[in-house]
This record gives sequence, C-alpha cells and structure tokens, in this order.
Amino acid sequence: DGGITQSPKYLFRKEGQNVTLSCEQNLNHDAMYWYRQDPGQGLRLIYYSQIVNDFQKGDIAEGYSVSREKKESFPLTVTSAQKNPTAFYLCASSRDRGPSTEAFFGQGTRLTVV
Amino acid sequence: AQSVSQHNHHVILSEAASLELGCNYSYGGTVNLFWYVQYPGQHLQLLLKYFSGDPLVKGIKGFEAEFIKSKFSFNLRKPSVQWSDTAEYFCAVNAENAGNMLTFGGGTRLMVKP
Repeated sequence: DGGITQSPKYLFRKEGQNVTLSCEQNLNHDAMYWYRQDPGQGLRLIYYSQIVNDFQKGDIAEGYSVSREKKESFPLTVTSAQKNPTAFYLCASSRDRGPSTEAFFGQGTRLTVV
Repeated sequence: AQSVSQHNHHVILSEAASLELGCNYSYGGTVNLFWYVQYPGQHLQLLLKYFSGDPLVKGIKGFEAEFIKSKFSFNLRKPSVQWSDTAEYFCAVNAENAGNMLTFGGGTRLMVKP
C-alpha cells in the first residue's frame, strides 16, 4: 500500500521533554511537510523539505526541529522550547513543490504534553 | 503574506439540504486552489482542485467549487448532502509567486443530521 505513515497515533509526554514524531512515505515523493492542526486555525506549516538533506522553516518553526537524511523519512522533534506543544500534527508529501502538485497526508499524531 | 478565510466554522444541515461553504483568499497573483476533506478518523484527502480553465470544478462525491477571481473566492457546493458528508473541510491556496506554499483556511466542521 502506497502512502504516508505517521507513528504513533497518540503520544503523551511530560512537560520539558523532547519528543520525536515519525513520518515515512513510500510514494517516492521529493517534498515533505509538517503541519500543526489546532481547532479553528486550520493547518499551519512548521517545516518543509524539498529534497534530501534540505529543509526550510515554515510559519511556526520555533520550538521544532527536523531532519531529512532519507527521501522517505522526515521526523519532527518537538523540543522543550515549544511553548504550547499539545496539538494534532500532520505530515504530508508531494511529488515536488510545484504549485499544482497535490499533497498527500498521513493520519496524524495527537501529542499531549502534561 | 497570503491568507485564506473560511467564515463558517461550524455548519449543521439536515440530509438532502444544499451546502455552500465559503472560502476567500488574499492574494492577487496566480493561484491554485484546493478543497480538502477530513472524515472522522481518516486522512485529510483532496476533494477537488483548480489550476486553470473552467472556473467551475467538479470533485469527488458530488462536490463542486467555483473560482470567482473578482471576488477572490472558491466556494464549495453540493446540491444535496448526505450523513456521510459529516467531516471537516479545508480550503487551501497555493500562490505561484509566494513560494508555492500551501496555505490552509481555518476549516469548517460540517455535521449532517440523518
């Protein structure tokens, strides 16, 4: 089955701990994205990557970090510097970053920090 | 910066009622427009998209949207909703001269009563 896999589906962490969310795709897509979804605010872009070993900050990158060592993987680390980390995180990929390219989404990870 | 507004945050309809969800964007250049849908517990998936040509776009499951350039709008419509249309709907815009970033609206949560 081709698609995007995010794991885990639910994640609980204590305040002050870093946590890494996994995102893997087997669609052979070049571009990958991380979004944060909060009620009433839609999806806001955290980081994106157009190609292996390259990534760029999105609108709300503070308190997050990413890596892109392999084409199929784009893990997101939520650091202790992120002031409000409890949210629903969505990973997406697209064939490229062309304007007309459709993005495909994973099922999301709901992170709760207590 | 480009922005996308969805004015209806929550919509409740009875089955067979007609649906129109508003989407307005703020960017004057060439844009590509998308509607995504997120059914409960499922991936965000593409409903329809507009790149060029006929401004009336037909998507899956009987949905359509009309691009009105003069109004900066891309409203989503369906003549007769079903209970299975209960979901959250997101409008998204990708502006070619704004870094090809996919910007999402805040989402509209639709509930269809059987």
